[in-house]
Amino acid sequence: AQSVTQPDIHITVSEGASLELRCNYSYGATPYLFWYVQSPGQGLQLLLKYFSGDTLVQGIKGFEAEFKRSQSSFNLRKPSVHWSDAAEYFCAVGGASSGGSYIPTFGRGTSLIVHP
Amino acid sequence: EPEVTQTPSHQVTQMGQEVILRCVPISNHLYFYWYRQILGQKVEFLVSFYNNEISEKSEIFDDQFSVERPDGSNFTLKIRSTKLEDSAMYFCASSGQMNQPQHFGDGTRLSIL
Repeated sequence: AQSVTQPDIHITVSEGASLELRCNYSYGATPYLFWYVQSPGQGLQLLLKYFSGDTLVQGIKGFEAEFKRSQSSFNLRKPSVHWSDAAEYFCAVGGASSGGSYIPTFGRGTSLIVHP
Repeated sequence: EPEVTQTPSHQVTQMGQEVILRCVPISNHLYFYWYRQILGQKVEFLVSFYNNEISEKSEIFDDQFSVERPDGSNFTLKIRSTKLEDSAMYFCASSGQMNQPQHFGDGTRLSIL
């Protein structure tokens, strides 16, 4: 069964500092990997995705993530955090299921707190 | 950019009552999904829907749940007899193809009293 671990429940950074959010996954084949962001009271917005090809993926809002198969990781990074980046971040892994649907499994999320 | 819209944003219902959560997926999408997020917990898959039938469902999606696409634009989740533990944020999502990322709505917060 596929699973996702986000080991950090909360991360606090200062505005302008760099950011790395950790994500480890378990999946039997080459996974599809995603990062979503959820601002308070809103739905999940896709930041970036990895399906195949280049293991360094660029996303929206200046985020990037690197797929490392040897470490089963897909960490999210941003070189300089803005106060508006404060939100909940979810890593997800997925692939074609036995039923033919594509169903991502989400991690528990990491809450990002940004100090001025 | 097209959006998935959900109504209402907040629904308060007495335990045992039926509730219908509504979603309008992106117009040219073919795959539809419902997810649930209990406060403080992870997002959990409930059901996927394609070609007017359920294509997959989780253990959470028991007999009290049903989904329907009553017309060409709406996608609904019905809970027949709500329980306290049904209190959660319910997200609708849609995708154009099976393996494309899903676009999520802003959710409906369901509070069962």
